[in-house]
Amino acid sequence: AQTVTQSQPEMSVQEAETVTLSCTYDTSESDYYLFWYKQPPSRQMILVIRQEAYKQQNATENRFSVNFQKAAKSFSLKISDSQLGDAAMYFCAYRSEDGANSKLTFGKGITLSVRP
Amino acid sequence: GAGVSQTPSNKVTEKGKYVELRCDPISGHTALYWYRQSLGQGPEFLIYFQGTGAADDSGLPNDRFFAVRPEGSVSTLKIQRTERGDSAVYLCASSLTGGFYTEAFFGQGTRLTVV
Repeated sequence: AQTVTQSQPEMSVQEAETVTLSCTYDTSESDYYLFWYKQPPSRQMILVIRQEAYKQQNATENRFSVNFQKAAKSFSLKISDSQLGDAAMYFCAYRSEDGANSKLTFGKGITLSVRP
Repeated sequence: GAGVSQTPSNKVTEKGKYVELRCDPISGHTALYWYRQSLGQGPEFLIYFQGTGAADDSGLPNDRFFAVRPEGSVSTLKIQRTERGDSAVYLCASSLTGGFYTEAFFGQGTRLTVV
């Protein structure tokens, strides 16, 4: 079974600075998807960025980018130019390539606070 | 609708009672998922529907939990004889298909409190 580990429960960043959130995972599969989701107090999970495992190039979405290290099974999220609206819980998640099993496996999450 | 809608937003029930939680997915989405998020944890998978059928119900914790999707759109998660340990946020998500490449869209969840 796949597992996702987020070992940092909380992080804090100064507005306009850069912060990196860590995630590791365990799998025996060769292809899979990795995701970062943001969950504000409204509870709705919002997709921030995703990465398919067979793609070598790290995904980027505006101020958000990932550092995907497949051999190390590491998938960190970098947020540049942090904004007050970035404050939320962030979850790392894994999706198997198994077509019959589309479920997401989530880590425990990290609470990000942004200092003005 | 424009997004995934879950009702009620909050539900308080007494231990031992029966509850139903409703999920209205994005129109046209064939895949629907239920997750449970306990306090301080990430969401945990409960069940996955493809159309009307449950393609994977391996995450349901016991036989007190049951979910249906009779017409392939709205889904109801049913919990019998509720226990205090069932208190959590129940999240629903839908995607266009259940495939590897499709994005799942989440609702705002139902916060269930069993007292």
